[in-house]
Amino acid sequence: SAVISQKPSRDICQRGTSLTIQCQVDSQVTMMFWYRQQPGQSLTLIATANQGSEATYESGFVIDKFPISRPNLTFSTLTVSNMSPEDSSIYLCSAREGSYEQYFGPGTRLTVT
Amino acid sequence: AQSVAQPEDQVKVAEGNPLTVKCTYSVSGNPYLFWYVQYPNRGLQFLLKYITGDNLVKGSYGFEAEFNKSQTSFHLKKPSALVSDSALYFCAVRSTSGTYKYIFGTGTRLKVLA
Repeated sequence: SAVISQKPSRDICQRGTSLTIQCQVDSQVTMMFWYRQQPGQSLTLIATANQGSEATYESGFVIDKFPISRPNLTFSTLTVSNMSPEDSSIYLCSAREGSYEQYFGPGTRLTVT
Repeated sequence: AQSVAQPEDQVKVAEGNPLTVKCTYSVSGNPYLFWYVQYPNRGLQFLLKYITGDNLVKGSYGFEAEFNKSQTSFHLKKPSALVSDSALYFCAVRSTSGTYKYIFGTGTRLKVLA
């Protein structure tokens, strides 16, 4: 199984600013994903982070708001840009090798004031 | 449309009793099905999966799940619940097209009473 770490674990940011979340996997993985989750609720997929190419965004999410980088097979970043209070959420990084189970990081709890 | 349904927002069970958390799915083709658990302020932890083979799948922490193709269900079960099993449980199915993303259910909060 893959072990995934995220930094920061939580942050409080002012509206209009940007935050970059880092995700590190302890092994090379084919696929990495970014999700958003309101506490106690289901997960919403933001995008699939593709190594060496642009991320694939889900409906309702755009690159200008959530730019993603994936420079190699173990690392990805998600930036939440020009934040508003509606961006307050938990952001989860996930990784999968092949078609089977995905593993999740501990999450980044973001509060925008 | 491909989807997963968890019909119960919350399940309560007494410690020592068997528990069931329900999940139904809708995908074309053969489903890849998963259960995850989330404890407070933690990420999701993988419990078990069904890809092919035996309809009864055993996973972590004594959990098991039964795949039923005719009823398109994948219910999570445990013979004897523990208070420490209290958490949020998610069922997921892998999409059979596009990026093969995972589709998650809305989650079921399990509360095991001492």
